[in-house]
Amino acid sequence: GESVGLHLPTLSVQEGDNSIINCAYSNSASDYFIWYKQESGKGPQFIIDIRSNMDKRQGQRVTVLLNKTVKHLSLQIAATQPGDSAVYFCAESGTGRRALTFGSGTRLQVQP
Amino acid sequence: EAQVTQNPRYLITVTGKKLTVTCSQNMNHEYMSWYRQDPGLGLRQIYYSMNVEVTDKGDVPEGYKVSRKEKRNFPLILESPSPNQTSLYFCASSYMDRDYEQYFGPGTRLTVT
Repeated sequence: GESVGLHLPTLSVQEGDNSIINCAYSNSASDYFIWYKQESGKGPQFIIDIRSNMDKRQGQRVTVLLNKTVKHLSLQIAATQPGDSAVYFCAESGTGRRALTFGSGTRLQVQP
Repeated sequence: EAQVTQNPRYLITVTGKKLTVTCSQNMNHEYMSWYRQDPGLGLRQIYYSMNVEVTDKGDVPEGYKVSRKEKRNFPLILESPSPNQTSLYFCASSYMDRDYEQYFGPGTRLTVT
């Protein structure tokens, strides 16, 4: 598979544990903050979004927390599974040209 | 199946030889975009399009061209490729009112020698 982001920070967890992936963002004017998952050899895949006027949003096995005071975003994955192994990117979406501005990514490794 | 397709998936070419990477989506999305992904630099937007015949520059447009003659297609054109355009390229699409939820293609690995 592809091996982009060779110097990514890595989070290693045991199967069944909870994972927390963190991200610092820079643009306070962003409307949405988003998490994407990229498996080896594939394009990024949308996981969950949170609007800038919220501080928490839950999905299926995932929770995103937004702390605007310190410009921090986190993704919590409950009961981490081997299929969760991937690179996770946080992204910001603002107004205007609708570009996603991606963070550098965190590699999640799930140990069986 | 709803998807974004790109062709080719892998391409090795030489400096200066014009090439086109095709992108097609079958979800009737208004918005389409091209990104390049490089180690340490993450994903950066090259060009985007909000609708047919409407395109605009992203963060790194130099050396690239695009066109949007049909809603479903958004080809990326490199008129005179150079080695610094060696990268992994992704096409993405979305609905305009959900532009934060972009659907990405499988990627095109381009090597320019």
